[in-house]
Amino acid sequence: DGGITQSPKYLFRKEGQNVTLSCEQNLNHDAMYWYRQDPGQGLRLIYYSQIVNDFQKGDIAEGYSVSREKKESFPLTVTSAQKNPTAFYLCASRTGTTQFFGPGTRLTVL
Amino acid sequence: QKEVEQDPGPLSVPEGAIVSLNCTYSNSAFQYFMWYRQYSRKGPELLMYTYSSGNKEDGRFTAQVDKSSKYISLFIRDSQPSDSATYLCAMRERVNDMRFGAGTRLTVKP
Repeated sequence: DGGITQSPKYLFRKEGQNVTLSCEQNLNHDAMYWYRQDPGQGLRLIYYSQIVNDFQKGDIAEGYSVSREKKESFPLTVTSAQKNPTAFYLCASRTGTTQFFGPGTRLTVL
Repeated sequence: QKEVEQDPGPLSVPEGAIVSLNCTYSNSAFQYFMWYRQYSRKGPELLMYTYSSGNKEDGRFTAQVDKSSKYISLFIRDSQPSDSATYLCAMRERVNDMRFGAGTRLTVKP
């Protein structure tokens, strides 16, 4: 099956720890995105990558980092510098003008 | 003022009702308009995609775009309990700069 997978589905982190969220796609899409979703707010763009070894900051990149070493993979690291990391994180990839989303990872900071 | 405004609801309707979901926006440069459906704790899935103004129909779903009023709508005919979800509007000018509404939570009661 072609699609986008995110793991883990639920993640718990202690304050002060870095944590990495996985995003993999087998759709052969060049562009990939990370969004954050909070209750009552629209999705906000954290980072995006249009091609391997290249990525750009979105609207809320502070406290996050990414890498794009392979076309299929776009992991997101939530660092201890992110002041309010508890949220639902969504990865997406794009073909043409349309973005498709993964199932999401819910991160909770304890 | 938010760039994209969407009434969060919640909206509750009886099965078989016609549902109207709406978004307004402020950026007249937006040209691509989308509606996503998101079930609880899942990633958004693309429902409708429209370029510029006009109507688009797909089964029970109709998307309308009125660029002169900066207003988009999604109509659901013969609503079903399985339509119960959060509906997100999204729009963009540039391919990597998608803007989302906060989402409207819809419940269709049997």
